[in-house]
Amino acid sequence: NAGVTQTPKFQVLKTGQSMTLQCAQDMNHNSMYWYRQDPGMGLRLIYYSASEGTTDKGEVPNGYNVSRLNKREFSLRLESAAPSQTSVYFCASSARVVQGIYNEQFFGPGTRLTVL
Amino acid sequence: QKEVEQDPGPLSVPEGAIVSLNCTYSNSAFQYFMWYRQYSRKGPELLMYTYSSGNKEDGRFTAQVDKSSKYISLFIRDSQPSDSATYLCAILDDKIIFGKGTRLHILP
Repeated sequence: NAGVTQTPKFQVLKTGQSMTLQCAQDMNHNSMYWYRQDPGMGLRLIYYSASEGTTDKGEVPNGYNVSRLNKREFSLRLESAAPSQTSVYFCASSARVVQGIYNEQFFGPGTRLTVL
Repeated sequence: QKEVEQDPGPLSVPEGAIVSLNCTYSNSAFQYFMWYRQYSRKGPELLMYTYSSGNKEDGRFTAQVDKSSKYISLFIRDSQPSDSATYLCAILDDKIIFGKGTRLHILP
């Protein structure tokens, strides 16, 4: 049982390049999330998927797209990377999203992205 | 005003001391309060969560919520070097909103 896995662990891009961050979970969770973590800013939600087939914007969606490929996998794409997207990206999953009810989120190990 | 405010530290304390980590929040309607622990170069992991007000204890860790003052606390008793990490408080609005995290160093 690997939990939440992310690839790659590290990536360096040049401005304008594109890339896709991959995330997979093996806990049969319905909901998945992408966060970015910057010094002094904490964790900020980029996009989330409450269930397979749905995606919604979070706090900082600009410059990103997501795909919920199936129940296990949720990818984050940077179409044209910018230095402001240099960050650590975390994927997370939870059993489900129920309004007003807390469900524990399980996080992956992160992807450290540098955009030059 | 930010939803959750947390002092980023760093906070350095000697081994064996009692540690107090704190956050304030803005909306008195919040009901779920969480503490996540994040070791260096790892993802956050849930440490404890509480519903509504009061205390919750788990081993050396106690989470406390004071809804009247909109204040949440995490106490660590008999702190160990292995407790050195960043601690993030969080609240549940329509999404989970995280504080910025407090870096804690336990000095051997």
